Amino acid sequence: AQSVTQLDSQVPVFEEAPVELRCNYSSSVSVYLFWYVQYPNQGLQLLLKYLSGSTLVESINGFEAEFNKSQTSFHLRKPSVHISDTAEYFCAVSRTGAGGSYIPTFGRGTSLIVHP
Amino acid sequence: DVKVTQSSRYLVKRTGEKVFLECVQDMDHENMFWYRQDPGLGLRLIYFSYDVKMKEKGDIPEGYSVSREKKERFSLILESASTNQTSMYLCASSADSATQYFGPGTRLTVL
Repeated sequence: AQSVTQLDSQVPVFEEAPVELRCNYSSSVSVYLFWYVQYPNQGLQLLLKYLSGSTLVESINGFEAEFNKSQTSFHLRKPSVHISDTAEYFCAVSRTGAGGSYIPTFGRGTSLIVHP
Repeated sequence: DVKVTQSSRYLVKRTGEKVFLECVQDMDHENMFWYRQDPGLGLRLIYFSYDVKMKEKGDIPEGYSVSREKKERFSLILESASTNQTSMYLCASSADSATQYFGPGTRLTVL
């Protein structure tokens, strides 16, 4: 069984400040790790992912996450946030399932609120 | 660009009605998923399908069924809607990369 814990349900921060959204997972097998973002009234979209290789992964809009196997963590960071980063962020871990599919388990989400 | 569409953005139904939620993807993905999203609970997997006519239960399948007659279409069925099924329903598809592509969601209210 696998599970994902997002340690903060809400993170308020001022614009241009750094932010870290925390994610810990548990799994007995090798996993793939993801961060998805959901803007208001929209579906989720992929922010970044770790499949293998370098443990530090980056997104095109300045976010980065580091896979830490010993601490079973995949925290999301951005050195300077913008108002437009206000959204819900979901951490997810995937395992292989029936038919070779990848079955994700999502965390409960962290609401990032950026204040001017 | 991958596109996943859902038949309705908002839906209001009465208790006991049979409800169909439709999802269509245009990227020939093998895998399709249905989730419900509730505040504070994140996304919970209801059912998924890894091929036409194949389906697997997720974490919360009770009260739901699914149908996948064509590769591009995955339907979620509420046989007899109840008020505790009021929620946001999200459909997703994926290929081999494990990345999921989501539709915009259907907000279902059961009165």
